[in-house]
Amino acid sequence: DAKTTQPNSMESNEEEPVHLPCNHSTISGTDYIHWYRQLPSQGPEYVIHGLTSNVNNRMASLAIAEDRKSSTLILHRATLRDAAVYYCILRDLGDDKIIFGKGTRLHILP
Amino acid sequence: DAGVIQSPRHEVTEMGQEVTLRCKPISGHDYLFWYRQTMMRGLELLIYFNNNVPIDDSGMPEDRFSAKMPNASFSTLKIQPSEPRDSAVYFCASSFGTSEGNTEAFFGQGTRLTVV
Repeated sequence: DAKTTQPNSMESNEEEPVHLPCNHSTISGTDYIHWYRQLPSQGPEYVIHGLTSNVNNRMASLAIAEDRKSSTLILHRATLRDAAVYYCILRDLGDDKIIFGKGTRLHILP
Repeated sequence: DAGVIQSPRHEVTEMGQEVTLRCKPISGHDYLFWYRQTMMRGLELLIYFNNNVPIDDSGMPEDRFSAKMPNASFSTLKIQPSEPRDSAVYFCASSFGTSEGNTEAFFGQGTRLTVV
């Protein structure tokens, strides 16, 4: 499985944008970049995914580097409820599985 | 849909006892996944099913663990006999596959298992 590298933890202030980085230098052409997050005492939940182009949805934006070796999850205006562990995952088109790494623990300061 | 439903939410059992965890996936989903989460090892995929058939059980730790999916709306994960090191949160997730790959997975709330 292709690997991703994320910082162990990050802090951000409430109501400010948050940029969560992910490095995936060995990504293959058919790997999709997925992001999940896990709120305290909950199961993981899907956030967003993309292949080459930047993606936006109601939860977040995903910015993908032109060479696809890195990506950034953007929370436009963080709230206390966004405090969670964020997982960046590569998932090949034909792969059924979702393999989680250690993720980034995001702390939001009031 | 109520989402993925797991039961029980909490289970405390004595070492050596049999434990059965239950999962009801989202209706219409054809993939079901069982994960285990601990502080030390993070989220580990144990086994997954497609159309009720086990596809990959390489993550099942040992023979004490078994999983079944008798129909599209129900799955069990059984540990017999249980040991203290099995203490963890167990998650069930479901998704459906398309010609362009799997869609996102939806996770249940988990079962927190404590073996004393």
